[in-house]
Amino acid sequence: DIQMTQSPASLSASLGETVTIECRASEDIYNGLAWYQQKPGKSPQLLIYNANSLHTGVPSRFSGSGSGTQYSLKINSLQSEDVASYFCQQYYDYPDTFGAGTKLELK
Amino acid sequence: EVQLQQSGPEVGRPGSSVKISCKASGYTFTDYVMNWVKQSPGQGLEWIGWIDPEYGSTDYAEKFKKKATLTADTSSNTAYIQLSSLTSEDTATYFCARRPAGSSFDYWGQGVMVTVSS
Repeated sequence: DIQMTQSPASLSASLGETVTIECRASEDIYNGLAWYQQKPGKSPQLLIYNANSLHTGVPSRFSGSGSGTQYSLKINSLQSEDVASYFCQQYYDYPDTFGAGTKLELK
Repeated sequence: EVQLQQSGPEVGRPGSSVKISCKASGYTFTDYVMNWVKQSPGQGLEWIGWIDPEYGSTDYAEKFKKKATLTADTSSNTAYIQLSSLTSEDTATYFCARRPAGSSFDYWGQGVMVTVSS
């Protein structure tokens, strides 16, 4: 199985700041990567698919980039409603695997 | 509007089984594969398997092949997961999630908490 190493595990940032979360795959996943946001007690919500495509209705301050084995999620101008956990998922290869998550808090 | 409405929380005794439902609305049920994902308390996400509602075909992650059984009822647009031989390791939240072909999970159910307790 492809291993997804996500960093950092937790992150504290101020309102208006730019935040970057990274995921590294154990082998090339050819942009088969998604990012999800999960708030406490809620289900994950798709933010980004195919590494850099914004899902319908997701604010443009979220963006994804990367290729090969290295991918990142950037949040511009952090808002209070962005406090959540974030997960990456590779779906290029069977079976789907997820990163361990990043918990984002306000400083 | 696409919605995946899951059933309520479950409590199961060790060794028993539970069955969770996921009712789809707002799209053609047979056009999308339905996946199931496990999230253990305070833990990350694990893919369990998928079912193609149109054909009833299924696939499972290796560790869930003897644990989970996926079914679907096209007359009610509902997918199901049955978890058998429950142990404490099955205590978790279980999500259904829709997958467009070759893509990620675009819509998720709200999740069902399963607690295994004697």
